[in-house]
Amino acid sequence: GQQLNQSPQSMFIQEGEDVSMNCTSSSIFNTWLWYKQDPGEGPVLLIALYKAGELTSNGRLTAQFGITRKDSFLNISASIPSDVGIYFCAGQQGAQKLVFGQGTRLTINP
Amino acid sequence: NAGVMQNPRHLVRRRGQEARLRCSPMKGHSHVYWYRQLPEEGLKFMVYLQKENIIDESGMPKERFSAEFPKEGPSILRIQQVVRGDSAAYFCASSPTGGAYYGYTFGSGTRLTVV
Repeated sequence: GQQLNQSPQSMFIQEGEDVSMNCTSSSIFNTWLWYKQDPGEGPVLLIALYKAGELTSNGRLTAQFGITRKDSFLNISASIPSDVGIYFCAGQQGAQKLVFGQGTRLTINP
Repeated sequence: NAGVMQNPRHLVRRRGQEARLRCSPMKGHSHVYWYRQLPEEGLKFMVYLQKENIIDESGMPKERFSAEFPKEGPSILRIQQVVRGDSAAYFCASSPTGGAYYGYTFGSGTRLTVV
């Protein structure tokens, strides 16, 4: 089945730094989604991308849908403590399913 | 506006017992999805249901696992004769229309521990 490779697996940064993570696939996806998961909670949708090349922002978050439809990145600017968590990319597979990456665990040192 | 409600939040079962996980979708949502998350991994699709119908169960293990979404009441994910490898977080999601296009809403999950 389709798989998403997400990198890096973990990041340790200082508060205020910018963050960048990406996701690649061997297959084309028509929709890319980025989620954040806090400890003990379910994933919460951050950004949805629908068109190749699309660049979308949500506050300090910016995500892009790669031209080839096989990759996407998420940037977080000026990180703050509440940004801590696990970030997942997900691609829409068929009409109903999402395929998730392995996640990027973000840790912020104050 | 209540979100997707899952219970219990934590469930401990001995090997061989049955586990029943419940999911009440958001109000007005008639499409339910179950995903499983093993430790340190992403979520993996299990099953998609509409009221009284299983639409896609391609991610469900062939044995011991079943799901239902009755006309009345919550969706149930049932795991019979649990084994240690079933220990995971199980997430339910719902959407008002079928499809993952808008990235449906997830519940907080049920964390199953098999001892």
